[in-house]
Amino acid sequence: AKTTQPNSMESNEEEPVNLPCNHSTISGTDYIHWYRQLPSQGPEYVIHGLTSNVNNRMASLAIAEDRKSSTLILHRATLRDAAVYYCIPKRSNDYKLSFGAGTTVTVRA
Amino acid sequence: EPEVTQTPSHQVTQMGQEVILRCVPISNHLYFYWYRQILGQKVEFLVSFYNNEISEKSEIFDDQFSVERPDGSNFTLKIRSTKLEDSAMYFCASSAGTSPPSEQFFGPGTRLTVL
Repeated sequence: AKTTQPNSMESNEEEPVNLPCNHSTISGTDYIHWYRQLPSQGPEYVIHGLTSNVNNRMASLAIAEDRKSSTLILHRATLRDAAVYYCIPKRSNDYKLSFGAGTTVTVRA
Repeated sequence: EPEVTQTPSHQVTQMGQEVILRCVPISNHLYFYWYRQILGQKVEFLVSFYNNEISEKSEIFDDQFSVERPDGSNFTLKIRSTKLEDSAMYFCASSAGTSPPSEQFFGPGTRLTVL
């Protein structure tokens, strides 16, 4: 499924960051995965969901009822959260992750 | 915490030479992957490997590329005759499965520079 994410977003430290992703062509069996890539590092798993909103220690994922969009929520951004964030729809039995350009998040101290 | 490791961190080679990039996946993982990222571009899938065979490969993964799991711990990517356009960051990843919550764990990458 094709995804659309903003190129970049800025936040102040300790403030929330909401990262939107449009995936209007998502199929019913695609999970929505989020990964991030810190500078000079490999990608890192953040969270995934299918239909319901999800929380973990890193972030929350809010999925629209029609599943055509989702929002990754970083509740209190830290400087360490500065990274490129990728929204990736993926079928459960697919092997590959298909990365787009992602959203570059800048966190100001 | 278990992690994926890759060696070397940086490899410089001459065009036409063979290179082998090495990875040690997380020990109980069954699925292994190679991705690459040309400077300033997207992360691109190259190949996945399961049960000692390639399970999926991209158009990039042509006859110049091969993968191998020579023993119970290493996973290698070989490029037979490197080209200038093979210069990129190569990431190895592994996962316990393909169905959620089997996230892929990525290594720190090997930067390949072809001169």
